Amino acid sequence: SQKIEQNSEALNIQEGKTATLTCNYTNYSPAYLQWYRQDPGRGPVFLLLIRENEKEKRKERLKVTFDTTLKQSLFHITASQPADSATYLCALDQGGNTGKLIFGQGTTLQVKP
Amino acid sequence: DTAVSQTPKYLVTQMGNDKSIKCEQNLGHDTMYWYKQDSKKFLKIMFSYNNKELIINETVPNRFSPKSPDKAHLNLHINSLELGDSAVYFCASSRGEFGYGYTFGSGTRLTVV
Repeated sequence: SQKIEQNSEALNIQEGKTATLTCNYTNYSPAYLQWYRQDPGRGPVFLLLIRENEKEKRKERLKVTFDTTLKQSLFHITASQPADSATYLCALDQGGNTGKLIFGQGTTLQVKP
Repeated sequence: DTAVSQTPKYLVTQMGNDKSIKCEQNLGHDTMYWYKQDSKKFLKIMFSYNNKELIINETVPNRFSPKSPDKAHLNLHINSLELGDSAVYFCASSRGEFGYGYTFGSGTRLTVV
């Protein structure tokens, strides 16, 4: 069966450290993988997108890697801040004309001062 | 200047009632979506419309009926509400082209009592 798995346990780290979140998938062949941030009571906010032929993408303090052999994406936040505390969702887009994103359940990050 | 706006933000209603949730986007996007987020925080796609035409209809009970009067609006009507319909419903829009993120509304928390 198709699965997208993110660590359901909250990730607690100290301010200034690098947070690394994992997204694993099985039985998908995504053309794109996206990462979103969701704060309590709010809708998801798009952060980054990486294509299947890209290994790495960066945006300010964020970095995403995409390994289609391992079927895994890693999401890094460097020099983390308490304001980075939120739930982070990965989402797969299989391209074609399906036109839909399939989301993982998210990992909650807590950055402590 | 809200990009994707949903109303109402909260909706409490009794079983058996019929209710509607409205969504509007001012981004000029061609594609709009309805997602349901359950108590375990999984975001699942329900419907997708492209230029007022239905392109995705996931396994959703017939009691749910989307309507798109124009490409800037996608409303969700729910008949004969059941306890299990309680969730947060998110509207989203995208350019409809591959490789772009979605813009989500802030959600409608539906509670059926």
